[in-house]
Amino acid sequence: QKEVEQDPGPLSVPEGAIVSLNCTYSNSAFQYFMWYRQYSRKGPELLMYTYSSGNKEDGRFTAQVDKSSKYISLFIRDSQPSDSATYLCAMSSLTGGFKTIFGAGTRLFVKA
Amino acid sequence: DTGVSQNPRHKITKRGQNVTFRCDPISEHNRLYWYRQTLGQGPEFLTYFQNEAQLEKSRLLSDRFSAERPKGSFSTLEIQRTEQGDSAMYLCASSLGSPDGYTFGSGTRLTVV
Repeated sequence: QKEVEQDPGPLSVPEGAIVSLNCTYSNSAFQYFMWYRQYSRKGPELLMYTYSSGNKEDGRFTAQVDKSSKYISLFIRDSQPSDSATYLCAMSSLTGGFKTIFGAGTRLFVKA
Repeated sequence: DTGVSQNPRHKITKRGQNVTFRCDPISEHNRLYWYRQTLGQGPEFLTYFQNEAQLEKSRLLSDRFSAERPKGSFSTLEIQRTEQGDSAMYLCASSLGSPDGYTFGSGTRLTVV
């Protein structure tokens, strides 16, 4: 079993839809939870960062962490064609030297 | 500073040849990480440095792989006797030591033929 599980999709939605992306994990030592966005042939770009459990909002993006369930989510409101990319969940811990463990990534397509 | 720079962007090599990649991190970042990403997968951790010290190596990093970060500045990743299974995107990231400051380069795409 992988430490981080993420549905690879692809996920196709119409412009303006609310997108929900999710990951589960098994290592309870993870303290830092991130979402990265990756466009084709580019490196991942940090989108959202959350420490421990709770919610964080940034514009159209909301990240949620539920450590009791080992479940994290990213919501995208009013999705745009420019949001079409691969979204990677990622986790790390202080004891792990902040090396980051990534999910497989979910490919998202937003249709105009 | 324009971010994390990786060179070359693409490398095609014949099986059995040695290749070396370079990563120039953001200048004030003391931590440097190498990851490998294959098609349809997320990046997999290979190794990381704090300044010039290599603090951890993944089991993925076989004896054919070696990484250095002389003087705590740029880093190189060398693969000896390349195999077709080494074909992947090799990503470098740097940070100041907290996960919210992780910046990736655009990667070096290696194709072994």
